[in-house]
Amino acid sequence: AQTVTQSQPEMSVQEAETVTLSCTYDTSESDYYLFWYKQPPSRQMILVIRQEAYKQQNATENRFSVNFQKAAKSFSLKISDSQLGDAAMYFCAYRSGRTNAGNNRKLIWGLGTSLAVNP
Amino acid sequence: KAGVTQTPRYLIKTRGQQVTLSCSPISGHRSVSWYQQTPGQGLQFLFEYFSETQRNKGNFPGRFSGRQFSNSRSEMNVSTLELGDSALYLCASSFFVIAGKETQYFGPGTRLLVL
Repeated sequence: AQTVTQSQPEMSVQEAETVTLSCTYDTSESDYYLFWYKQPPSRQMILVIRQEAYKQQNATENRFSVNFQKAAKSFSLKISDSQLGDAAMYFCAYRSGRTNAGNNRKLIWGLGTSLAVNP
Repeated sequence: KAGVTQTPRYLIKTRGQQVTLSCSPISGHRSVSWYQQTPGQGLQFLFEYFSETQRNKGNFPGRFSGRQFSNSRSEMNVSTLELGDSALYLCASSFFVIAGKETQYFGPGTRLLVL
């Protein structure tokens, strides 16, 4: 079974600086998708960025980028120029790319990293 | 385009009661998934519906059930509530494309407190 591990329960960063959140996963599959979601105090889960395992190029979305190391099964999120609004829980999630319609379609989640942004 | 909506946003129930939560997906999305979020267990998959049929189910007891209507709106029901059912219940919608390829978009959640 696939698992996702976020080893940093809490992190903090100074406003305008850069922070990296870690995520590792375990899978025997070669085709899958990885996601970072942000959950602010409002509890709304917001997609930050996604990565297809078959793509070697790391995904980027404005100030957010990932370092995807497929062999190491690592998927870290880098937030550049941190802003106060970035303060939230960040969740790493995995989803199988197998094409059957079984339970492989579910998202498998890490336990999250709480990010504080200091002014 | 309106996002995923969930009602009610907050609920307080007592043990033994039952509860029904509702989720309206983004227009055009036909797949609805439900997740339970608790501090101890994190986010766990409950079930997924597509075309009014349950496609996937997580490891939850039979007290947890759901359904989907022809307009893609979904409801989940929990019968005989237990204290451990207190959680944030999140609904996510997506297009049903190749497994895993599409992105799920989440609603604001329903916070259920069981006393």
